[in-house]
Amino acid sequence: DAGVIQSPRHEVTEMGQEVTLRCKPISGHDYLFWYRQTMMRGLELLIYFNNNVPIDDSGMPEDRFSAKMPNASFSTLKIQPSEPRDSAVYFCASSLAGTRAFFGPGTRLTVL
Amino acid sequence: AQTVTQSQPEMSVQEAETVTLSCTYDTSESNYYLFWYKQPPSRQMILVIRQEAYKQQNATENRFSVNFQKAAKSFSLKISDSQLGDTAMYFCAFTLGGGADGLTFGKGTHLIIQP
Repeated sequence: DAGVIQSPRHEVTEMGQEVTLRCKPISGHDYLFWYRQTMMRGLELLIYFNNNVPIDDSGMPEDRFSAKMPNASFSTLKIQPSEPRDSAVYFCASSLAGTRAFFGPGTRLTVL
Repeated sequence: AQTVTQSQPEMSVQEAETVTLSCTYDTSESNYYLFWYKQPPSRQMILVIRQEAYKQQNATENRFSVNFQKAAKSFSLKISDSQLGDTAMYFCAFTLGGGADGLTFGKGTHLIIQP
């Protein structure tokens, strides 16, 4: 298996633009997680899905952030409009219930 | 809410030495899972070791072992015979549901292995 796939690996955008981050989980996994990593706040859970259904989005910082999982093999995290304080590394991870989470390589987002 | 505390922002040891990274956590639950993740400069999150709270035996993975003290809510990582490739950020993490729940991470310890 190729592992968790994230795209793009790097994204540079200007303030106010819409940003879409993409994730393909490991085939057969039924949980998908989005995390954000910053120097100030460390690694934070933003949202997670079980069988494509959002279970807990309490970590989503504000309404500018939204996440979807239209099917078992794809998820997006969207920021609209983006702000400089959104600059971070965003990780996607997937797991099979009761086992460990596998992380993707992350997307480094820079908002100018 | 659960919290995870890593009190050592940075540590430096000589190659081949043994080093212990500290982690404490706070929870009112009795069953949970603890992890140590390694993040090298490539930023990839790599699972080092996992411990189920209901297991009394400390987990080991080759040169990596943990000292799990449930009553003290302590979960330290020992790296034996440290190697240059062990240089990385190390994060302690907690979850209630194994792979069925999100992870709560500590702030991390930057470990530097000196040649």
